[in-house]
Amino acid sequence: AQTVTQSQPEMSVQEAETVTLSCTYDTSESDYYLFWYKQPPSRQMILVIRQEAYKQQNATENRFSVNFQKAAKSFSLKISDSQLGDAAMYFCAYIEYTGANSKLTFGKGITLSVRP
Amino acid sequence: DGGITQSPKYLFRKEGQNVTLSCEQNLNHDAMYWYRQDPGQGLRLIYYSQIVNDFQKGDIAEGYSVSREKKESFPLTVTSAQKNPTAFYLCASSISRGTYNEQFFGPGTRLTVL
Repeated sequence: AQTVTQSQPEMSVQEAETVTLSCTYDTSESDYYLFWYKQPPSRQMILVIRQEAYKQQNATENRFSVNFQKAAKSFSLKISDSQLGDAAMYFCAYIEYTGANSKLTFGKGITLSVRP
Repeated sequence: DGGITQSPKYLFRKEGQNVTLSCEQNLNHDAMYWYRQDPGQGLRLIYYSQIVNDFQKGDIAEGYSVSREKKESFPLTVTSAQKNPTAFYLCASSISRGTYNEQFFGPGTRLTVL
């Protein structure tokens, strides 16, 4: 079964600085998607960014970008110019397409705090 | 506004009682999901449904039941057989089940067993 590992339970960043959140995954598949979800204190899950495994180009969404290393099975999230509103729990997630059995697998999450 | 609603936001249950969590979506999505979130555990899939009148067990279905009589609604019942039901429950939906479709989440229900 696929697994998603987020080894850092907590991180902290100074406002306006850059922070990188790490994620590794285990799979034998070649076709899959990876996601980063944000869960602020309101607990509403919000999709931050997604990456298709067949694309070599790293995805970017404004201040958020990923470093996707397919061979290393690594998928890190970089947040540039950190803002107070970025403080949240961040989950890395993986899904492979296996027809009816495809499902989203989440890591345990990392709590990011932003220092003013 | 289109979205997913879950009610109630907070729910308290006595041991031995069944309780039903509501999930409604007006996004016209075919697929719906229930997740459980515990501290330090991430999200774990309880049940999912790809279409009306059909649903499948996820990774931790024991002690839970669902129904999907309408496209918009996917209620989750936490039965007395669930040994540790205190948790945060999230409902999600997607256009259809599969890799290419983003899952949209509701605001969640916090269930506490007294």
